[in-house]
Amino acid sequence: SSELTQDPAVSVALGQTVRITCQGDSLRSYYASWYQQKPGQAPVLVIYGKNNRPSGIPDRFSGSTSGNTASLTITGAQAEDEADYYCNSRDSSGNHWVFGGGTKLTVL
Amino acid sequence: EVQLVESGGGLVQPGGSLRLSCAASGFTFSTYSMNWVRQAPGKGLEWVSYISSSSSTIFFADSVKGRFTISRDNAKNSLYLQMNSLRDEDTAVYYCARDKTGGVDAFDIWGQGTMVTVSS
Repeated sequence: SSELTQDPAVSVALGQTVRITCQGDSLRSYYASWYQQKPGQAPVLVIYGKNNRPSGIPDRFSGSTSGNTASLTITGAQAEDEADYYCNSRDSSGNHWVFGGGTKLTVL
Repeated sequence: EVQLVESGGGLVQPGGSLRLSCAASGFTFSTYSMNWVRQAPGKGLEWVSYISSSSSTIFFADSVKGRFTISRDNAKNSLYLQMNSLRDEDTAVYYCARDKTGGVDAFDIWGQGTMVTVSS
């Protein structure tokens, strides 16, 4: 399959931990990368590879993979983490990239 | 400052053509693979095309294959997307995005995007 499936919406109480998941057969072969997008802004890379954060990304963001499911975990969610989150990986052919449909995170 | 700046978007009729540009600065453009990613209004992200640093490898999403062409001019630090036979469903913000080096799949730098509207 060349699809990545995400839950459309997730909510978390301020300061609590939230996990955003991404399912797809290609995740058995390729790591997911994760992007945060706030309204009217370009996406920002937050997690890549096994569990790597670009410089400037807070350490409350972490990533993991198990089988065909990649997860983005935010430990101690902050108000500024409210955004859309997208996973991405190559598809099973290795010659195309595919994004998940996105998860809208609400911080209550 | 590492930066990507897209330009060339606008309103075009169905069946028309448009050429997008992406100007890179603050890094050695010629050593990075690049991508175009688009986002239709109110929708998610869609990968469009990839070009390797030397232009030797190019890939397209099935939705644009045969209609779009990707190219780059490393001497001008620029990436291009030639879009032909445009359709209503090509309406989107188009972003250029840099491939992270080190054998890791990720788009680490994004431009601010340029809007393409296909409408009669």
